[in-house]
Amino acid sequence: KNQVEQSPQSLIILEGKNCTLQCNYTVSPFSNLRWYKQDTGRGPVSLTIMTFSENTKSNGRYTATLDADTKQSSLHITASQLSDSASYICVVSASYGNKLVFGAGTILRVKS
Amino acid sequence: DVKVTQSSRYLVKRTGEKVFLECVQDMDHENMFWYRQDPGLGLRLIYFSYDVKMKEKGDIPEGYSVSREKKERFSLILESASTNQTSMYLCASSPSRRSYNEQFFGPGTRLTVL
Repeated sequence: KNQVEQSPQSLIILEGKNCTLQCNYTVSPFSNLRWYKQDTGRGPVSLTIMTFSENTKSNGRYTATLDADTKQSSLHITASQLSDSASYICVVSASYGNKLVFGAGTILRVKS
Repeated sequence: DVKVTQSSRYLVKRTGEKVFLECVQDMDHENMFWYRQDPGLGLRLIYFSYDVKMKEKGDIPEGYSVSREKKERFSLILESASTNQTSMYLCASSPSRRSYNEQFFGPGTRLTVL
C-alpha cells in the first residue's frame, strides 16, 4: 500500500534553532517528492521538489534531502524564525496513474 | 503568479442542506482537484477533473459530486450535508494532464455542518 509517514507529529523549537523533519514513504514506482508548507488557515505552498536522481535541494533556509534507496526524505530548517511556524507536508508522486500520496504533516511551532 | 480562489473561507451549514463550494483558477490550468483535510490525516482526494465537463472519482467521493462547466471553475457539491463532512476543503489546480504533481492550492474553506 502506498503510504507516506512523517515524524514527528509536532515540534516546538526556540527561534534561531535548527530542526529536521522526517518523511518515510513506500510509494512505488517513485516519481518525485515534494515538501509543502501550510500556514494556519491557508493552502499548502510548495517548498522543494526532488526527483529520483536528486539527493538534496535548497530553498533559502530550507534544505530537503532524499535517499531513494531507503525511501526517506528530510527537511532541515536552519536558523528558524517565528514565520516558520506552520504545518510541513511531504507529498510523494507515483510514476503511474498521476497519483499523489500525502503525509499527515508535521506541525512546527517556533517560540521566541 | 498562479491564483486559486475559493468562494468562502468559513461556512456553517445544517445537516441535510445542499452545499456548494466554488473554486476558480486564473492560469488556464487543465486539471483541478478537490481535497478534504482532517487533523492527523493527509489530504484526501475527493474528485478531480482534467477537462471541462470531465470528472474522475478520487479516493473518497461518497457524499460528494462535482461540476466543471468552464475551464477555470470547479465546484464541489454536498447534496445533503452531514456532520461527518465537517472539514477543511482545499481546491487545487495543475497546468497539464502530464503534471498532476505541480499542484497549486487555494486558501481552503472550513466547513462546519451542525
